[in-house]
Amino acid sequence: QVQLQESGPGLVKPSQTLSLTCTVSGGSISSGGYYWSWIRQHPGKGLEWIGYIYYSGSTYYNPSLKSRVTISVDTSKNQFSLKLSSVTAADTAVYYCAREPITFGGVIVSPGYYGMDVWGQGTTVTVSS
Amino acid sequence: QSVLTQPPSVSAAPGQKVTISCSGSSSNIGNNYVSWYQQLPGTAPKLLIYDNNKRPSGIPDRFSGSKSGTSATLGITGLQTGDEADYYCGTWDSSLSGWVFGGGTKLTVL
Repeated sequence: QVQLQESGPGLVKPSQTLSLTCTVSGGSISSGGYYWSWIRQHPGKGLEWIGYIYYSGSTYYNPSLKSRVTISVDTSKNQFSLKLSSVTAADTAVYYCAREPITFGGVIVSPGYYGMDVWGQGTTVTVSS
Repeated sequence: QSVLTQPPSVSAAPGQKVTISCSGSSSNIGNNYVSWYQQLPGTAPKLLIYDNNKRPSGIPDRFSGSKSGTSATLGITGLQTGDEADYYCGTWDSSLSGWVFGGGTKLTVL
């Protein structure tokens, strides 16, 4: 059973870079067949997709965050990471990593077909001096 | 302001049925697949429905999904107090080339 676990600093100063890592256990990122996403939830608000990465390194980012976001993958550690630069108080949120299956019978399906089927427990990041 | 529109709250009595709507456009719901998520207080979202109306293994058939045009609906029958949670719809948006979600609906089981 695949499990995801976010880790990283819970407090980041304004203008600095937020860095989080998601460790995948029970399965291999390099086996392919999945997009690996970062999603955040502002306090008391809804879900906001940040972006995702394939094991090959291909990425898709939310256009509203694209200029500040970098998602990378380290298949040797079975991890993928998020960097969000120039943070402000508006970036205070719970950050989740999640998995989206993208293949059926070896064929790549349309984005969103399977939904995000495995989520990490989330990690709270506060931006404050 | 979320791309997908959901009612902020719904309520019903135990044992009753409730529906939660999710409205979008042709660039998202109208031409892509809808999934639904349940978020119990203090926990991560959990996938309830994918491909508009399919349930992952382990999700009871009390939960159902449907889609028509640019709107989708989540239905929950036989309401239980344990169903009290926030529910989110989500889908791919072809214009944005990214995932979009609704603002969430808080279900209260009276």
